[in-house]
Amino acid sequence: ELQLVQSGAEVKKPGESLKISCKGSGYRFTTSWIAWVRQMPGTGLEWMGVIYPSDSDTRYSPSIQGQVTMSVDKSSSTAFLQWSSLKASDTAIYYCATHGPYSRSWGYWGQGTLVTVSS
Amino acid sequence: QSVLTQPPSVSAAPGQKVTISCSGSSSNIGNSFVSWYQHLPGTAPKLLIYENNKRPSGIPDRFSGSKSGTSATLGITGLQTGDEADYYCGAWDSSLSGVFGTGTKVTVL
Repeated sequence: ELQLVQSGAEVKKPGESLKISCKGSGYRFTTSWIAWVRQMPGTGLEWMGVIYPSDSDTRYSPSIQGQVTMSVDKSSSTAFLQWSSLKASDTAIYYCATHGPYSRSWGYWGQGTLVTVSS
Repeated sequence: QSVLTQPPSVSAAPGQKVTISCSGSSSNIGNSFVSWYQHLPGTAPKLLIYENNKRPSGIPDRFSGSKSGTSATLGITGLQTGDEADYYCGAWDSSLSGVFGTGTKVTVL
């Protein structure tokens, strides 16, 4: 069974760094795009970008570019989303997703990671 | 900032039908497949429709999708209380970035 399992909720202070994870299982991790999607409080789903694990080809949303870094560890079938200096506006639920057999869409999602940034 | 526009909310009585529109442009919907997602607060989004009008396994045929030009539509027939959720369209744009719609809240009266 295809599954994406994300790391647990985080509470951080502004300026701190953070790396959250998304572990895939039950499918060929290296040849399936992984997307990251965020939902800020009271708002809708927002596309952040995608990464192709095989070669780490990464496409960021123009509004996200430079604010986060997406990466993967093929040996553990895990994708990461990383911040070097968090801001209060990074407070959101972050989801990873992959397409599975459903091309050009996101058929399988992680359970979400709540990131709270507060002083 | 989403470039796909959806109505903020739609509502209907149980058993009735609702349609949700998703309006984009030639740089996204006009040159991309459209997908639709159901999102209940606190849970992971669920894929309802992919490639404009195809349903993943396990999605009932009460859900349907269509696309025409730079717009797409999700239809839900036989509305049930369990259908109360937020619904989002999704597509790709010309910069190879994904994009979601603004979201529509479905209320079952």
